[in-house]
Amino acid sequence: QSVLTQPPSVSAAPGQKVTISCSGSSSNIGNNYVSWYQQFPGTAPKLLIYDNNKRPSGIPDRFSGSKSGTSATLDITGLQTGDEADYYCGTWDSSLSAVVFGGGTKLTVL
Amino acid sequence: EVQLLESGGGLVQPGRSLRLSCAASGFTFDDFAMHWVRQAPGKGLEWVSGITWNSGTMGYADSVKGRFTISRDNAKNSLYLQMNSLRTEDTALYYCAKASGRYYYYNVDVWGQGTTVTVSS
Repeated sequence: QSVLTQPPSVSAAPGQKVTISCSGSSSNIGNNYVSWYQQFPGTAPKLLIYDNNKRPSGIPDRFSGSKSGTSATLDITGLQTGDEADYYCGTWDSSLSAVVFGGGTKLTVL
Repeated sequence: EVQLLESGGGLVQPGRSLRLSCAASGFTFDDFAMHWVRQAPGKGLEWVSGITWNSGTMGYADSVKGRFTISRDNAKNSLYLQMNSLRTEDTALYYCAKASGRYYYYNVDVWGQGTTVTVSS
């Protein structure tokens, strides 16, 4: 059971927009920055979004993040088949004194 | 280019020990905290341990506390994870990961490719 809650899967058609949610509490998302990671099968995770809504260099602006209260959201617009991957949210939990991740969301581009 | 190269994984019997290593390059190693994160087969990411830039503070997940020890050698640009009293549930791909700041409450921004640990009799 993950500390952060994500939907197990989401799907949408190419060109469409998808939203992946990440729900937590005041001890984690509510008072700390959220990061998002993209992981293709058989490869290491890659940083997609940091500090709630910032993109590392090289990440397309089709990927955007936001945070409100104890929840965070990753939006992906203009979906491409190459976006099919697992997506994880992560943050610091001040009560646990630990990094915590969501359970991951598998994105299918139909 | 930032690179993290893990080594030391393998097949080990329950109750035995294993030491993982991570060689870092492409950044000023002693300016950043480091993490170990694992991923069991077919499962999600699980934070294992973190260490501050100067080894001043270390943190552990409850699942490994008292059994695993994280350490670093800044002179060798290396991170380590000593794993004792291994259990079958410790079977996973272990990633070495760089934090974005000096303390391990900063997010992970770079990941290694991982080293596989299999605990089985």
